[in-house]
Amino acid sequence: DAKTTQPPSMDCAEGRAANLPCNHSTISGNEYVYWYRQIHSQGPQYIIHGLKNNETNEMASLIITEDRKSSTLILPHATLRDTAVYYCIVSLISGSARQLTFGSGTQLTVLP
Amino acid sequence: DVKVTQSSRYLVKRTGEKVFLECVQDMDHENMFWYRQDPGLGLRLIYFSYDVKMKEKGDIPEGYSVSREKKERFSLILESASTNQTSMYLCASSSHRAEQYFGPGTRLTVT
Repeated sequence: DAKTTQPPSMDCAEGRAANLPCNHSTISGNEYVYWYRQIHSQGPQYIIHGLKNNETNEMASLIITEDRKSSTLILPHATLRDTAVYYCIVSLISGSARQLTFGSGTQLTVLP
Repeated sequence: DVKVTQSSRYLVKRTGEKVFLECVQDMDHENMFWYRQDPGLGLRLIYFSYDVKMKEKGDIPEGYSVSREKKERFSLILESASTNQTSMYLCASSSHRAEQYFGPGTRLTVT
C-alpha cells in the first residue's frame, strides 16, 4: 500500500470548514483513498473513500487532485464533536480481507 | 447501521491468566479483524479472518490465537497474559469492500 503523509495537528474554529490535507504521491492506479477518524478512547470510524472523483456524504467531502497524489478531507461546518485524530489511508479493494495500515494521522482540535 | 460490539470496555487480568475477548458484528460481514493500539505505535493487526473457521496472521500474532466458529463472532485469546499485552484491543469487520467498521475497543490491563 502507498504511504501517506499528514500534518500532525491542526486547529479549526467551531462552525468553520476544516480542511485536512493528505499526501499520497506513490499511490497506484487501483488504490483508493480512505479516511477514518478516532475520537479519544473510541474505535476508529469510517468517514469516506474515493478513487479519483470527488465524493461527498453526510459526514464530509473528499477532494482528490487530478494526478491523485494528494487529497483533502473537508468537514464543512466543524463542531466540537469533530475533535479527533483523522487518518488518511490508501488501500486496494479486493475480494479478500484487507488490512488497513493506520499511520499517525492528524489531530484536529475544534476550538469554541 | 453496522454494529460491532465487544464484550468488555475495560478488563483487568493477572499475569498468566487466559483471557478471552469477544467481538460480534450484525451485518453478515465476511471479514473480521483484531488490532491492538498502543501510544506511538498506531494500530497493529494481530489476526484477521475472511470466513468461518479461516484465519490469517497479521503483523503481531505472537502470544495470541483466534477463533471464528460463527460468521458473526470473532474471538481473540491470550493463552497466558503478560504485562506487555496491556493495550487497547479493537475489533473490526468488513464486507468485500474495504471500509472497516470498528467496535468501541477493550482496554486490557495485565498486572
